[in-house]
Amino acid sequence: KAGVTQTPRYLIKTRGQQVTLSCSPISGHRSVSWYQQTPGQGLQFLFEYFSETQRNKGNFPGRFSGRQFSNSRSEMNVSTLELGDSALYLCASSLQGGTIASGNTIYFGEGSWLTVV
Amino acid sequence: GESVGLHLPTLSVQEGDNSIINCAYSNSASDYFIWYKQESGKGPQFIIDIRSNMDKRQGQRVTVLLNKTVKHLSLQIAATQPGDSAVYFCAEIGNDYKLSFGAGTTVTVRA
Repeated sequence: KAGVTQTPRYLIKTRGQQVTLSCSPISGHRSVSWYQQTPGQGLQFLFEYFSETQRNKGNFPGRFSGRQFSNSRSEMNVSTLELGDSALYLCASSLQGGTIASGNTIYFGEGSWLTVV
Repeated sequence: GESVGLHLPTLSVQEGDNSIINCAYSNSASDYFIWYKQESGKGPQFIIDIRSNMDKRQGQRVTVLLNKTVKHLSLQIAATQPGDSAVYFCAEIGNDYKLSFGAGTTVTVRA
């Protein structure tokens, strides 16, 4: 079956603009989480959604937001882009969130490469 | 602080040899650990996972060991191949639905 799909794969934006990234989880997965990857900070957690509810949020400014739809697809939005937002944005999905209680693992998509100029 | 870290940033291995990648974690509340492989330009690829109620788990050519006493995790790759060259990350998760990653170990396989 298809893996986690992220669109677009590459994009270039100008400072001050906003961007919306999309993620389609593996079929049947209801948990979607987002991560930012940069050479300096590594992989940093942005937020996690399950059944359209945000269950946890990382330490990012309010310019970073997300949502999940009833079909489990998710979007994340970054407003008022800054140069430092240039990164690989990764989406991951799992059945219920990857905890031992739910007994499932977490799979990543190929990411969306965002360059802010 | 609570973080997951890898002992070495780089590892050079002769093709055919076994590789061992180490990881230390500090959050004793973590109950699930995952190893990922990331090749250049791609997203992290799941390799193997282990839950805190286990000490060892084996996959195809890979073995993960978990030592909860010293909070140590390792990934062993048997008969390392050129295709194993990548960055390897360990990650931990508890009941907060958040994966915490180590800095990564870059594995280079020498022919």
